[in-house]
Amino acid sequence: AQKITQTQPGMFVQEKEAVTLDCTYDTSDQSYGLFWYKQPSSGEMIFLIYQGSYDEQNATEGRYSLNFQKARKSANLVISASQLGDSAMYFCAMRGNNAGNMLTFGGGTRLMVKP
Amino acid sequence: DVKVTQSSRYLVKRTGEKVFLECVQDMDHENMFWYRQDPGLGLRLIYFSYDVKMKEKGDIPEGYSVSREKKERFSLILESASTNQTSMYLCASSLGGQGGNEQFFGPGTRLTVL
Repeated sequence: AQKITQTQPGMFVQEKEAVTLDCTYDTSDQSYGLFWYKQPSSGEMIFLIYQGSYDEQNATEGRYSLNFQKARKSANLVISASQLGDSAMYFCAMRGNNAGNMLTFGGGTRLMVKP
Repeated sequence: DVKVTQSSRYLVKRTGEKVFLECVQDMDHENMFWYRQDPGLGLRLIYFSYDVKMKEKGDIPEGYSVSREKKERFSLILESASTNQTSMYLCASSLGGQGGNEQFFGPGTRLTVL
C-alpha cells in the first residue's frame, strides 16, 4: 500500500517570497512517480510537475521545482517568487508500480499568498 | 486543447435515488478514473478503467459502480444515494503505461444528497 502525507494543512507566504510545501511518501515499490497538482478555488486540478523515482535531477517547471530526497522519502514542492495567483490547494500524489497509472493523493495544503 | 468534461457542476438528489455522473474525454486516453474529494482527505479513488468494458476497484468502491461502454466515456453510478455520498466527484483520464503520464481532470461535480 502507498501513502502520501502532507503535514501542513495551511500556509501563508508573502508575495514574491519562496515557499516549500512538504510531502512525504511511503511505498515498497522500486519504481514510482511523484506528482504535484494545484487546485484553485474554481475547483479544477492543474498538473504542475512530475518526478520519477529514477530521475537523477530534481524536476523543475518554471517557478516550480521538486526537492526530491529519495532516502528520506520526501518530495517537497518549492514555489519561487510567489504570486497572488498561487493561492490554492496543492496536492502531492504518487503513482506506484501499477498497471493502471493510479494515483494516491495526500490530504493537501492550502497556500495563501499575502500581498 | 485537451478536455475532460463532466455532465453537471452541481447536483442535488434525495436519499435512495439512483444517480448517474457522466465523464467524457476527447484525448483518446486509455485510462479513466473517478475520485471523490473531501476536506482533509484529499482525493480518494473510487474506480478506474484501463480499457473499454474494463474496470478495477479503487480504495473506496462501496456504494458505487461504473460503466465504460465507449473509450471516451466513463460513468459513475450511485445505485441508492446516501447522505454520506455528499461530496465533490472528480473524473480524470490519462494515457496508458508508466512514466510521467499525468492525469487530466474534469471540473468536478458537487453532489449533495438530502
